[in-house]
Amino acid sequence: GAVVSQHPSRVICKSGTSVKIECRSLDFQATTMFWYRQFPKQSLMLMATSNEGSKATYEQGVEKDKFLINHASLTLSTLTVTSAHPEDSSFYICSAAGSAYYEQYFGPGTRLTVT
Amino acid sequence: GQNIDQPTEMTATEGAIVQINCTYQTSGFNGLFWYQQHAGEAPTFLSYNVLDGLEEKGRFSSFLSRSKGYSYLLLKELQMKDSASYLCAVRAQGTDKLIFGTGTRLQVFP
Repeated sequence: GAVVSQHPSRVICKSGTSVKIECRSLDFQATTMFWYRQFPKQSLMLMATSNEGSKATYEQGVEKDKFLINHASLTLSTLTVTSAHPEDSSFYICSAAGSAYYEQYFGPGTRLTVT
Repeated sequence: GQNIDQPTEMTATEGAIVQINCTYQTSGFNGLFWYQQHAGEAPTFLSYNVLDGLEEKGRFSSFLSRSKGYSYLLLKELQMKDSASYLCAVRAQGTDKLIFGTGTRLQVFP
């Protein structure tokens, strides 16, 4: 199946700093990427839909100024958590959907810990 | 609105069969997915149903009834490695977005 990578896999940052997470589709062009957040023992919550070359669409309750998404190419989307706080500590997962595929391929996730 | 329900936890014995149910109420429907997720890892794709009926893939099968807003994932010949969370997700009409259910944590005992 298609491969999606995320970097970094783990990051620890201090409160008030910003963190950038990269999501790459390695062997296909992803017109659409999705960003999810998952708290311990909970399911995936969709944060935003990222479309190449256009602004991301955020789900209700997700602050677009806090979670900046950039989808500059067909293989890369980035999520920047700005002014991170301990409550932003979570598992962030991206997925990619190519135009030829009916399913989404998930990245391995990024564990963010804000101290 | 969107609502997808699954049991929170289930337990089963190695070698047995277990059925994980999922009911959904969504604005439009364009496919239902089942994913497996081990703790601390990303979900992995198990199955996809868009038409009514049963899809079989090895030890795993998935069933869909669109009129009832209902699906189940059937796991046969359970193995210890099947202990994981199983996520039901629905794709709404006209979008690639997936809405996930709460997930079912399955524990397989020897």
